[in-house]
Amino acid sequence: DAKTTQPNSMESNEEEPVHLPCNHSTISGTDYIHWYRQLPSQGPEYVIHGLTSNVNNRMASLAIAEDRKSSTLILHRATLRDAAVYYCILSPYNQGGKLIFGQGTELSVKP
Amino acid sequence: NAGVTQTPKFQVLKTGQSMTLQCAQDMNHNSMYWYRQDPGMGLRLIYYSASEGTTDKGEVPNGYNVSRLNKREFSLRLESAAPSQTSVYFCASSQNLGTSGSYNEQFFGPGTRLTVL
Repeated sequence: DAKTTQPNSMESNEEEPVHLPCNHSTISGTDYIHWYRQLPSQGPEYVIHGLTSNVNNRMASLAIAEDRKSSTLILHRATLRDAAVYYCILSPYNQGGKLIFGQGTELSVKP
Repeated sequence: NAGVTQTPKFQVLKTGQSMTLQCAQDMNHNSMYWYRQDPGMGLRLIYYSASEGTTDKGEVPNGYNVSRLNKREFSLRLESAAPSQTSVYFCASSQNLGTSGSYNEQFFGPGTRLTVL
């Protein structure tokens, strides 16, 4: 299974945009890129996913590099409630939708 | 609509004891998953069930067994608990069409915190 690499931690100021990077240089052509986040003492929560094109939803935007070897999760205006561990995950095609988690990026948001 | 529920929330076992962690979902999803999360680590997949009647090993299946009882329920059994199985266990479900489930979001339960002494 292909792996992802993320910075261990990042800091942001409240109400500013946040760009969370992820490298996945061994991604295969049919792997989907998923982002989940985990608030303290809770289960992970889906944020967004995509295959090749950039994606937007009410929570965030996902920018995928043209060669698909990297992606960036964009939180447009960070709030204190966005402080969490963010996981960039590759989901192999045709394998039951399983997710292979990495270490994630711990995002702290300063007021 | 409760989503994904897990029981128990907490459990303490002695080495060698057995127990079953229960998971149920009310979203009519056909795929279910069991993960474990050790302190400071990401989640690791133990077993999954892409559809009712099928189960497959994940990254760390040793020491565990699973049963997909019906579409709603997916249980995880520890036959002889070991201290290395101290962890938080998460169950998840998603709606997939057969095995082509690489694009659907998973919904996670609140977790079971297990300590093995």
